[in-house]
Amino acid sequence: QKEVEQNSGPLSVPEGAIASLNCTYSDRGSQSFFWYRQYSGKSPELIMFIYSNGDKEDGRFTAQLNKASQYVSLLIRDSQPSDSATYLCAVTDYKLSFGAGTTVTVRA
Amino acid sequence: EPEVTQTPSHQVTQMGQEVILRCVPISNHLYFYWYRQILGQKVEFLVSFYNNEISEKSEIFDDQFSVERPDGSNFTLKIRSTKLEDSAMYFCAGGTVNTGELFFGEGSRLTVL
Repeated sequence: QKEVEQNSGPLSVPEGAIASLNCTYSDRGSQSFFWYRQYSGKSPELIMFIYSNGDKEDGRFTAQLNKASQYVSLLIRDSQPSDSATYLCAVTDYKLSFGAGTTVTVRA
Repeated sequence: EPEVTQTPSHQVTQMGQEVILRCVPISNHLYFYWYRQILGQKVEFLVSFYNNEISEKSEIFDDQFSVERPDGSNFTLKIRSTKLEDSAMYFCAGGTVNTGELFFGEGSRLTVL
């Protein structure tokens, strides 16, 4: 299974701030990258995917991919208390390999 | 909005007993997966299923595990003889294409005593 490493956290940010989450992956041949959000006791929920180098924005979320550095990141702008969750980075070669997740707490 | 439905939500069983976890995928999904998550650990791939057969399985998915799609709609995961270490949340997931864009069910929590 592909190795996916995430910064361990937990990450605490004040409401309205930017939360920055990082992820590295071991397989240089990986093509597809995903960010899932998992609330405590719940199932993972897809929030972003990115296939090409560069940035991809969706609302308050921006995913960044650098295949040369084998690095994926997620920025959450204007963080809200409802963003408090564990964020899972995942890569796929026809199955998802997840990182351990970074827990984010947004302080009101 | 369609959703993936899993039953039971929680099952408690004795070690050595057989357990069947059930999933009703979204109707237009073609690719199906089982994942598990031991408490406090990462989500781990177990098996993928396409066109009524297993397409890939992990080293966790040993002879004690099996999957079926018995009636073209339900998708089941059977654990033949449960062990203590099988205690985990089991997630069913599906997608229309063979990518990581998956919809997960709410999970079945298995507790083996």
